[in-house]
Amino acid sequence: DAKTTQPTSMDCAEGRAANLPCNHSTISGNEYVYWYRQIHSQGPQYIIHGLKNNETNEMASLIITEDRKSSTLILPHATLRDTAVYYCIVVGYGGSQGNLIFGKGTKLSVKP
Amino acid sequence: GAGVSQTPSNKVTEKGKYVELRCDPISGHTALYWYRQSLGQGPEFLIYFQGTGAADDSGLPNDRFFAVRPEGSVSTLKIQRTERGDSAVYLCASSKTGTGAGANVLTFGAGSRLTVL
Repeated sequence: DAKTTQPTSMDCAEGRAANLPCNHSTISGNEYVYWYRQIHSQGPQYIIHGLKNNETNEMASLIITEDRKSSTLILPHATLRDTAVYYCIVVGYGGSQGNLIFGKGTKLSVKP
Repeated sequence: GAGVSQTPSNKVTEKGKYVELRCDPISGHTALYWYRQSLGQGPEFLIYFQGTGAADDSGLPNDRFFAVRPEGSVSTLKIQRTERGDSAVYLCASSKTGTGAGANVLTFGAGSRLTVL
C-alpha cells in the first residue's frame, strides 16, 4: 500500500474551516484514500473515503487532486470537539482487508 | 450492541503472566480486527478475522500472541509470558464486510490498556 505524508500538527480557529493535507504520490490506480481521526483516549473513528472523485458526508469533505497524488480533508466549521489526531490512509481495493497503516497522523488543535 | 465493546478497559499485570483481552463486535459484523497502539504512535494491525477464521495474522509480533473467534462473534486476544514491551492499548474493530472498499470502514472500540510491570 502507498505511503502517506502528513504534517505533524496544525491549528485551527473554532468556526473556521480546517483543511488537512495528505501526500500520497505513490498511490496506484486501485488504491483508496481513507481518513480516520482519534480523539484523546478513544478508538479511531472513520470519517470518509474516496477513490478519485471528491466526496462529502455529514462529517467532512474529501478533495482528491486529479493526479491522485494528494488529497485534503476539509472540516467546514471546526469545533473544539474536532481536536484530534487525523490519519490519512491509502489501501488497495481487494487486498489487505482491514490492514490499515495509520502512521502518526496530523494533530489538529481547534482553538476558541 | 450499539458499538464495539472491549473488556477490561484497563489491565495491570506482572512480567511473565498470561492475559486475555475480550472484544464484543457490533452485531452482524462479520469481520473483526485487532490493533495495538503504543504511546505516541498510530495503531498497528495485528490480526483480521472473517467469520471464525483468521484471514490475516501477519501483524502478530511473535508466537506469544494468539487470538480466537470460535463462534464468529466475540473474540479474545491472548498474550502469554507478557513482557514490559507488550504494554500498549489494544484496540478491536469490526466491519460489516471483509471484502470491497467497505471492508476498510472500521468501527473501533475504546481499547484495553495493558500495563506490564
